[in-house]
Amino acid sequence: RKEVEQDPGPFNVPEGATVAFNCTYSNSASQSFFWYRQDCRKEPKLLMSVYSSGNEDGRFTAQLNRASQYISLLIRDSKLSDSATYLCVVNGAGNQFYFGTGTSLTVIP
Amino acid sequence: EPEVTQTPSHQVTQMGQEVILRCVPISNHLYFYWYRQILGQKVEFLVSFYNNEISEKSEIFDDQFSVERPDGSNFTLKIRSTKLEDSAMYFCASRPISAGGYEQYFGPGTRLTVT
Repeated sequence: RKEVEQDPGPFNVPEGATVAFNCTYSNSASQSFFWYRQDCRKEPKLLMSVYSSGNEDGRFTAQLNRASQYISLLIRDSKLSDSATYLCVVNGAGNQFYFGTGTSLTVIP
Repeated sequence: EPEVTQTPSHQVTQMGQEVILRCVPISNHLYFYWYRQILGQKVEFLVSFYNNEISEKSEIFDDQFSVERPDGSNFTLKIRSTKLEDSAMYFCASRPISAGGYEQYFGPGTRLTVT
C-alpha cells in the first residue's frame, strides 16, 4: 500500500470555481501533514500545514480527519494563478516524509 | 526572504562517474533533506540530516549515496558511481527547529542527466 495516495486528476475548472482535493495516508502514527504546490519543472513550495482542527489561509482551507486518515484541500474562487500540481505530504517514521503523486489543477479563463 | 540555493542547476555526467550536488540551506535551519523526482513521477525522500549525522534514509539511499556538511553552510549529496536511472531532479530542503513545525523549504533543484 502506498504511504500517500492522491487522485492525480486532472481537474479543469473555470475561474471562480471551488475545487477540493483529497489525500489518504497509510501510517496512523503520522503527525505532520502539508499541502505543497509544484509548478512545472519547479521545486515544491509550501502552501500550508494541516492542523487537527482544520485551518484556513485566505481562499485555501485544509482539513485533517485522523480517524479516516484523510486530508483535504479546498480552494475557493479559483484564480488562473492557482493552476499547478498540488502535493500532499505526510511524515512517516520521525524525520522521513512521503509525497503523493500530486493532483493537477488547471483553472480555465 | 532567505532561500535554499542549489548548484549546479543542471549537471550532465557519464554513467559510472561521481557527482556532487551542492546545497546551501537557509542559515538558521538545522534539519536538511535530499529528495529526488524522476521526470513525471512523485517526489521521493532520500535522506534527512541533523546534528551532523543522518537521521533517516530511504531504501533508495544505498551505498552509492552519501551526504556531508563540510562546513557551516554547504550540504552536499554525492553519488559515487552514477547509473542511468539516477537521472532525475534532486531537491535539497531545510527546516528550522520550531515547536510542532516540520515545514520544509525547498531549493530550485539540480537536474542530473546521466548518459
